[in-house]
Amino acid sequence: QVLLVQSGAEVKKPGASARVSCRASGYTFTHYTIHWVRQAPGQGFEWMGWINTLNGRAKYEQKFQDRVSISADTPATTAHMDLSDLRSEDTAVYYCARLVLDGSGSYFDSWGQGCLVTVSS
Amino acid sequence: SSELTQDPGLSVALGRTVRITCQGDSLRGSFASWYQVKAGQAPLLVFHGQGNRPSGIPDRFSGSSAGNAAYLTITGVRAEDEGDYYCACQEPNDNIHFVFGSGTRLTV
Repeated sequence: QVLLVQSGAEVKKPGASARVSCRASGYTFTHYTIHWVRQAPGQGFEWMGWINTLNGRAKYEQKFQDRVSISADTPATTAHMDLSDLRSEDTAVYYCARLVLDGSGSYFDSWGQGCLVTVSS
Repeated sequence: SSELTQDPGLSVALGRTVRITCQGDSLRGSFASWYQVKAGQAPLLVFHGQGNRPSGIPDRFSGSSAGNAAYLTITGVRAEDEGDYYCACQEPNDNIHFVFGSGTRLTV
């Protein structure tokens, strides 16, 4: 079955960078885009961006444009999300999700288990 | 980016029917998808598009849309339906960006 397994929780200091990884299995990696979504404590979901796993091109939400980089290691069927210049408000659970595009629109049918990134001095 | 608005909280008795609303201009040109979120768990897709329920999701979950709104209806609510529900859709003006609703906490 489709599985997205994310890397473990991290604690970072303000100004540092964090990398969250997402290893996919159970399907052809390059047939679906991978998206990143975060949820801060007590808050809703915030879409961050996505990567086309076939050609490696990424698109970002404008809010994160200057600090986020999403990449994909196709042989390893793994996507990475790098967030730099971390601030306390970046403390959140970061999720990767697989996007399906079909006749019923676009939707996230599989999600990683989430990775808590805590930013604290 | 645009916004999708949801009622912050709804309360429903066991066995009754509840409708969760998602409103936003993006829904005029894009189908909504719905996610159930429980504490400590990854989001679960429960409905998408015009009438699509993923395999394994009970048929008490259904969806619809009209104009700038989308609806998730749970008929015959069960205790395990308690949790947070979020809508989401792709921005129709660029088909690149996505937006999530503000979320609804359902109390049973």
